[in-house]
Amino acid sequence: DGGITQSPKYLFRKEGQNVTLSCEQNLNHDAMYWYRQDPGQGLRLIYYSQIVNDFQKGDIAEGYSVSREKKESFPLTVTSAQKNPTAFYLCASSINGRGHEQFFGPGTRLTVL
Amino acid sequence: AQSVTQLDSQVPVFEEAPVELRCNYSSSVSVYLFWYVQYPNQGLQLLLKYLSGSTLVKGINGFEAEFNKSQTSFHLRKPSVHISDTAEYFCAVSSGGSNYKLTFGKGTLLTVNP
Repeated sequence: DGGITQSPKYLFRKEGQNVTLSCEQNLNHDAMYWYRQDPGQGLRLIYYSQIVNDFQKGDIAEGYSVSREKKESFPLTVTSAQKNPTAFYLCASSINGRGHEQFFGPGTRLTVL
Repeated sequence: AQSVTQLDSQVPVFEEAPVELRCNYSSSVSVYLFWYVQYPNQGLQLLLKYLSGSTLVKGINGFEAEFNKSQTSFHLRKPSVHISDTAEYFCAVSSGGSNYKLTFGKGTLLTVNP
């Protein structure tokens, strides 16, 4: 089955540690996205990539980094510079083009202790 | 710049009652509109989308939405809800350009009570 996988489902880290969240898709989509979700805040865009080896900052990129070395993979690193990293993180992908919906992974819940 | 306002953060209803979840958007250009549903601790699933054509759009699970350009609204409706419709619903807008980004509303929690 085609889809988006995110791992792990739950992640715990100590304050001050960097952590990398995995996102893989086998839908052959060009575009991939990372969102952060906090209660009552909706989804906020962290980074997005429209093509391999290229990515752009979203609305809340500070304290995060990404890479796009392969079409199917778009890992997100939450660095120690992110002041409030505890959140639910969602990865999505879409066909590159106007009007195409985004398909979402199951999410990773990150808790920083 | 585009934005989305979901007018109700929570909507409680009884089973088999009709429901309307309200969404207003702002954009200076033509838009594409989406409704997504999220069940607890899961990703988002597309319910329906408006791209062009008929302003009444039908989606999965018996939901439909109507695009109203003059009122810049895209309200979601279902004539009779079930317990299983309890979830959070997000309205999103894309106004094109070169990046095809979606802007999401803050969500409406629909709770269906027996």
